[in-house]
Amino acid sequence: IAGITQAPTSQILAAGRRMTLRCTQDMRHNAMYWYRQDLGLGLRLIHYSNTAGTTGKGEVPDGYSVSRANTDDFPLTLASAVPSQTSVYFCASSDSAEGNQPQHFGDGTRLSIL
Amino acid sequence: GQNIDQPTEMTATEGAIVQINCTYQTSGFNGLFWYQQHAGEAPTFLSYNVLDGLEEKGRFSSFLSRSKGYSYLLLKELPMKDSASYLCAFSDSNYQLIWGAGTKLIIKP
Repeated sequence: IAGITQAPTSQILAAGRRMTLRCTQDMRHNAMYWYRQDLGLGLRLIHYSNTAGTTGKGEVPDGYSVSRANTDDFPLTLASAVPSQTSVYFCASSDSAEGNQPQHFGDGTRLSIL
Repeated sequence: GQNIDQPTEMTATEGAIVQINCTYQTSGFNGLFWYQQHAGEAPTFLSYNVLDGLEEKGRFSSFLSRSKGYSYLLLKELPMKDSASYLCAFSDSNYQLIWGAGTKLIIKP
């Protein structure tokens, strides 16, 4: 079934640890995105990639890094986790980065930093 | 600046019609999206409007007025399964989506 796969589904992590959230899509979409969703707030963009080999910073990039070595994969890394990074993380993709194409979302990763 | 606003929560009766409003302010606009998100699940795409007017898609309709910075999502013949959060988002001048906090729709029998 075509779509976006995120892993892990959930994780409890000690503060200060490094963590990589994985995201893979099989729709050959050019653009990919990482969001965090917190209670009472809208989805906030962390980083994005308009095409393989390029990345950009979103609204809340501090403490996070991404890479886009190929079309399918877009991992998000927390170099040294802090409790304020406790959130639900969604990866999404769209056919183009022109803002007129719907974004398709993975099932999310629920991350708790203690 | 940019902002987007929608009601936090609404209640409706099964089988009825409900309208969820969304207002926004931005200097650059490339369309407005509506998504549905059930609790604990991913958002799923419902509609996209870039021109003024009403777009109808089965039980769902979405309206846009660019001059007023206003959109609404209309849901008809509400089944219980439509209990979910409804997210509006506009595409800004950089083609990034700016999201509202979502409207939680509670449907009662």
